[in-house]
Amino acid sequence: EPEVTQTPSHQVTQMGQEVILRCVPISNHLYFYWYRQILGQKVEFLVSFYNNEISEKSEIFDDQFSVERPDGSNFTLKIRSTKLEDSAMYFCASSGDGDNEQFFGPGTRLTVL
Amino acid sequence: AQSVTQLDSHVSVSEGTPVLLRCNYSSSYSPSLFWYVQHPNKGLQLLLKYTSAATLVKGINGFEAEFKKSETSFHLTKPSAHMSDAAEYFCVTGYNQFYFGTGTSLTVIP
Repeated sequence: EPEVTQTPSHQVTQMGQEVILRCVPISNHLYFYWYRQILGQKVEFLVSFYNNEISEKSEIFDDQFSVERPDGSNFTLKIRSTKLEDSAMYFCASSGDGDNEQFFGPGTRLTVL
Repeated sequence: AQSVTQLDSHVSVSEGTPVLLRCNYSSSYSPSLFWYVQHPNKGLQLLLKYTSAATLVKGINGFEAEFKKSETSFHLTKPSAHMSDAAEYFCVTGYNQFYFGTGTSLTVIP
């Protein structure tokens, strides 16, 4: 069964450093998403991406964040200068054309020290 | 505005007894509603979804949910809990941008 994969499973970084979280969506999907879950809080939407551009983004997704689909398979989330409060589990998701069902990856736990 | 409220943060049941996880939604139009499950160190797995085709939705692993517009509810049920059902359950609404509930942790007592 096709699945969304994410790497790394756990990333530890120093405050102020740049991190790139990687996702491989399901191969024939066209819509891509990032969510995050700070420990003890709700899963929150960050951004959606379609046709090589951002289609929606939340207030959380400020200038420190960017997304990219550098090739036909990867979808990345970059945080330019990490803050302590960026520590969270980051989930990637994808969905097919005209289908509102999102398939989630296992997440990347980001720890900012 | 769309949102969901999960009424219980923790639910504990004995193995073989029914499961009820409660969710209320808020939406100004006919919502899309989902239940996802998250096992430790695993991704979010879709259990079932409501998209206005039928009010009683059957999902995987014996779970089902009933959409009740009059009560703005979408509770998740299972007739008989299994040990493997122990996990975190999320009620979700939205289209494109998903809005998650706070989650209900289900414990199954042997």
